[in-house]
Amino acid sequence: DTEVTQTPKHLVMGMTNKKSLKCEQHMGHRAMYWYKQKAKKPPELMFVYSYEKLSINESVPSRFSPECPNSSLLNLHLHALQPEDSALYLCASSQVSGNTGELFFGEGSRLTVL
Amino acid sequence: DAKTTQPPSMDCAEGRAANLPCNHSTISGNEYVYWYRQIHSQGPQYIIHGLKNNETNEMASLIITEDRKSSTLILPHATLRDTAVYYCIVPLNSGYSTLTFGKGTMLLVSP
Repeated sequence: DTEVTQTPKHLVMGMTNKKSLKCEQHMGHRAMYWYKQKAKKPPELMFVYSYEKLSINESVPSRFSPECPNSSLLNLHLHALQPEDSALYLCASSQVSGNTGELFFGEGSRLTVL
Repeated sequence: DAKTTQPPSMDCAEGRAANLPCNHSTISGNEYVYWYRQIHSQGPQYIIHGLKNNETNEMASLIITEDRKSSTLILPHATLRDTAVYYCIVPLNSGYSTLTFGKGTMLLVSP
């Protein structure tokens, strides 16, 4: 199984809502990532987890709260978002040794903030 | 990540070889070159990577110059499904990678 599964595929939320994006992989990867991609732009790294611990936070606003409850799951909790946060949110996973540059990406969750 | 430079767009006729260049003149001796592509509305997909030797897999070939300052991704027989943005990336040589995507090359394969 070389799949990274993201749910939901589409999400519409208001600025006062609380919602979560979920990501799951069963490849035994111990590094997991969240990227944000605005329209016609390249993906931008948000967070990196290694062995279920947050190792990189690219100065992401606190309205985005990541969580890695176990080695297969990665969540992104959303609260009090702004319309400019509307984007495609991509989850990825990789090994932490060996070919660490091969990231496996999910199809993304497309978020619209009204 | 080492800085990479790619042309913003390229065209290719279906069935012909697509040769996508990338400049990475500041690459250091132990840094790999990775190529990814992103088909519209999908997540990025790993294609191939290399250090200094040429590499080939079922998707593509990677040619790295001897001085390692540039590389070329070759899709030997491009199809319409190869239309995508292609990213050349040189990630930090850490225990796990943090890929930084540049603007990439938009490859349009036409009939």
